[in-house]
Amino acid sequence: EAGVTQSPTHLIKTRGQQATLRCSPISGHTSVYWYQQALGLGLQFLLWYDEGEERNRGNFPPRFSGRQFPNYSSELNVNALELEDSALYLCASSLGTATDTQYFGPGTRLTVL
Amino acid sequence: QKEVEQDPGPLSVPEGAIVSLNCTYSNSAFQYFMWYRQYSRKGPELLMYTYSSGNKEDGRFTAQVDKSSKYISLFIRDSQPSDSATYLCAMTITGGGNKLTFGTGTQLKVEL
Repeated sequence: EAGVTQSPTHLIKTRGQQATLRCSPISGHTSVYWYQQALGLGLQFLLWYDEGEERNRGNFPPRFSGRQFPNYSSELNVNALELEDSALYLCASSLGTATDTQYFGPGTRLTVL
Repeated sequence: QKEVEQDPGPLSVPEGAIVSLNCTYSNSAFQYFMWYRQYSRKGPELLMYTYSSGNKEDGRFTAQVDKSSKYISLFIRDSQPSDSATYLCAMTITGGGNKLTFGTGTQLKVEL
């Protein structure tokens, strides 16, 4: 069974630009989560999408946004990039309840210059 | 104060040693506790999942939860070089928007 996939693997942008990151969940999973893993800060919850709707949002500014498509894949958009947005962005998927295991993808390394 | 505290290490042990990894937390509402392992340049993978207080064993791994002390542990017996990774504790609550709250991770190196 294929795991969670993310693209691109690496992304280099400059300050002020926009970044788009993509995620495909495990087949059968309806929920997609986005986490930011910045150096020294651990994984920080960003967003949860389920059945095409945003269900929960972490403590991040509105320039972090996303969407979930009818095939349950998801996109994370980061507008007006700042240097401190440089991090590993991890996508996870699950069946959708709080107790279901979240399975993580390999991440997209975003570097903002 | 962070909701979940975890010693970042690095922790270096000889092969065959027993490893103890720990997290403390401040939110008594946390009900479900997980340990993830993350190899370099990879995403985290779930190792252990426990609910409420008690012990859970899986092969060389034992997870322990003490809700009264707000303290969780992961023990690794007979550690192997392949166990060298970053270990992340995570926790969540029902009705908490499916958000996992993570510790910062402990970097473990098992040396030959």
